Amino acid sequence: GAVVSQHPSRVICKSGTSVKIECRSLDFQATTMFWYRQFPKQSLMLMATSNEGSKATYEQGVEKDKFLINHASLTLSTLTVTSAHPEDSSFYICSARDGQNYGYTFGSGTRLTVV
Amino acid sequence: GNSVTQMEGPVTLSEEAFLTINCTYTATGYPSLFWYVQYPGEGLQLLLKATKADDKGSNKGFEATYRKETTSFHLEKGSVQVSDSAVYFCALSDLYGNNRLAFGKGNQVVVIP
Repeated sequence: GAVVSQHPSRVICKSGTSVKIECRSLDFQATTMFWYRQFPKQSLMLMATSNEGSKATYEQGVEKDKFLINHASLTLSTLTVTSAHPEDSSFYICSARDGQNYGYTFGSGTRLTVV
Repeated sequence: GNSVTQMEGPVTLSEEAFLTINCTYTATGYPSLFWYVQYPGEGLQLLLKATKADDKGSNKGFEATYRKETTSFHLEKGSVQVSDSAVYFCALSDLYGNNRLAFGKGNQVVVIP
């Protein structure tokens, strides 16, 4: 079945630094990738939608200059949290949509802690 | 817009008990409906799905039927195990719209031995 690899699974960084999270579709071409943020005991909040080769579409309230999304190929999307602050600490999850089968496959998530 | 409503609160039950988690939706068009499961510290795994009215999705003993007349997609399992303890999310997507998934708030299920 479709597999999405998300890396790293955990990262701790200092305030003011940037962190990059990768999301790869391993056995299918992901026409669309989604980035979510999840707070403890809460549902997933969609941050942005990205299509390969075009700019990401951000949800209302999500700072595009802070959360940089790149979707340069059909198998890779990256989320960079720039100038991270403690309030950016969260669980980030990516999802890829298979253009052939229209299914959604999720990565295993990244626990970001900003100290 | 599209939205999903799940019953409030965690669900705690004993092993081998019957599980029901309610899910209702509001959508334009003809959405596909999904149940995802999330184990602690992990991403979401697709549990089952249904793409049209009256379809029944099933997997690992779980079932849900797409009921257009009641706009519902309730999740059921006849006999739960401790390993079923997880958070369950109901979701919908309108494949002819913006392709995004709309999630319910999720239900924590705790199965006690």
